[in-house]
Amino acid sequence: DVKVTQSSRYLVKRTGEKVFLECVQDMDHENMFWYRQDPGLGLRLIYFSYDVKMKEKGDIPEGYSVSREKKERFSLILESASTNQTSMYLCASNPAGGWDNEQFFGPGTRLTVL
Amino acid sequence: SQQGEEDPQALSIQEGENATMNCSYKTSINNLQWYRQNSGRGLVHLILIRSNEREKHSGRLRVTLDTSKKSSSLLITASRAADTASYFCATDPSGGGADGLTFGKGTHLIIQP
Repeated sequence: DVKVTQSSRYLVKRTGEKVFLECVQDMDHENMFWYRQDPGLGLRLIYFSYDVKMKEKGDIPEGYSVSREKKERFSLILESASTNQTSMYLCASNPAGGWDNEQFFGPGTRLTVL
Repeated sequence: SQQGEEDPQALSIQEGENATMNCSYKTSINNLQWYRQNSGRGLVHLILIRSNEREKHSGRLRVTLDTSKKSSSLLITASRAADTASYFCATDPSGGGADGLTFGKGTHLIIQP
């Protein structure tokens, strides 16, 4: 059974802290994605990666960075957390190639920045 | 950028009735996908329809796509309480799925027992 896991379901951090959100997939997928979900705005793409050490900006990369040192792990980094980064963060993955590629999502991390 | 827009934003029906949700998008697509999200959880893929398809079925789900109108609909027949969730459409403009999907804001469906 395919699985995407995220390191925390709930996280509370202080303004200015450096925050790491971890995502691991066990499906040997090449592509991995980070989205944030906010009420009334749906899901918005922050960053994605199609290979180890590769990263691409999504629609809202400001204030975030990512790291992909191993194929199965994709980390989202908030360099200096701010209250407007309070949100639900969702990680997803899918395999490269093929024309129809659904995304497999993790359970999400609900981050609160105080 | 947000491309998909679901309509309605919220829908409440009785168990056993059919539920229809609509999605509109703005640019050309390779495929359109529908996902379900149970409260506070991750998204689960339901069905994918390619740009050259007009209708697709999967169990109690029926999806239509009208590329001339840039719209899609998701029909859930004989609804059940377990169908209560938020439903999102997502478009893949390039195919291959490597560039991320563009999601709509979702329809929150409530099935009354």
